[in-house]
Amino acid sequence: GAVVSQHPSWVICKSGTSVKIECRSLDFQATTMFWYRQFPKQSLMLMATSNEGSKATYEQGVEKDKFLINHASLTLSTLTVTSAHPEDSSFYICSASVAGVADTQYFGPGTRLTVL
Amino acid sequence: GEDVEQSLFLSVREGDSSVINCTYTDSSSTYLYWYKQEPGAGLQLLTYIFSNMDMKQDQRLTVLLNKKDKHLSLRIADTQTGDSAIYFCADPKSNTNAGKSTFGDGTTLTVKP
Repeated sequence: GAVVSQHPSWVICKSGTSVKIECRSLDFQATTMFWYRQFPKQSLMLMATSNEGSKATYEQGVEKDKFLINHASLTLSTLTVTSAHPEDSSFYICSASVAGVADTQYFGPGTRLTVL
Repeated sequence: GEDVEQSLFLSVREGDSSVINCTYTDSSSTYLYWYKQEPGAGLQLLTYIFSNMDMKQDQRLTVLLNKKDKHLSLRIADTQTGDSAIYFCADPKSNTNAGKSTFGDGTTLTVKP
């Protein structure tokens, strides 16, 4: 089956630094990738839709200047959390969409970000 | 999410059946999804059901859809300890891409030996 990887799986950083998270589709091409944020014991919150070769579409309330998304190729999307603060600590999950029956999504394993 | 609601916890004994319930508000969806999330991991698509179906069975999983009541359920037969996880139902509503689904808050299933 289709595999999506994320790197790093966890990261601890100091407040004020920037952190880049990579999302890769390993064995398929994904024209669309999605970035989610998940707080403990809560559901996924869609942050943005990332389309290859174009600007990401951000959901309401998500700061595009803080959460920079780049979708440079059909297999790679990156999320950069700029000037991270403790309130940005969360579990970030990406998914890649495969068009077809039920528009199956394949999720990455997630990245745990802790900002000190 | 407020448009998709699930009960938060379910505890069953190994070998019993588990039934996880979900209610949704938007009736324009073509599909509805069930995902499984194990601790510290991403989501795994378990199954989906077309909105014109009432039931779908896939091995130990049975999905029931009551469109009139906007109620979706996932039944896991012969529940095993490996089934312990958080289960999310998701409603893509009128979006053509499943990635823009609204997710429920998840039901934590605990299976006791």
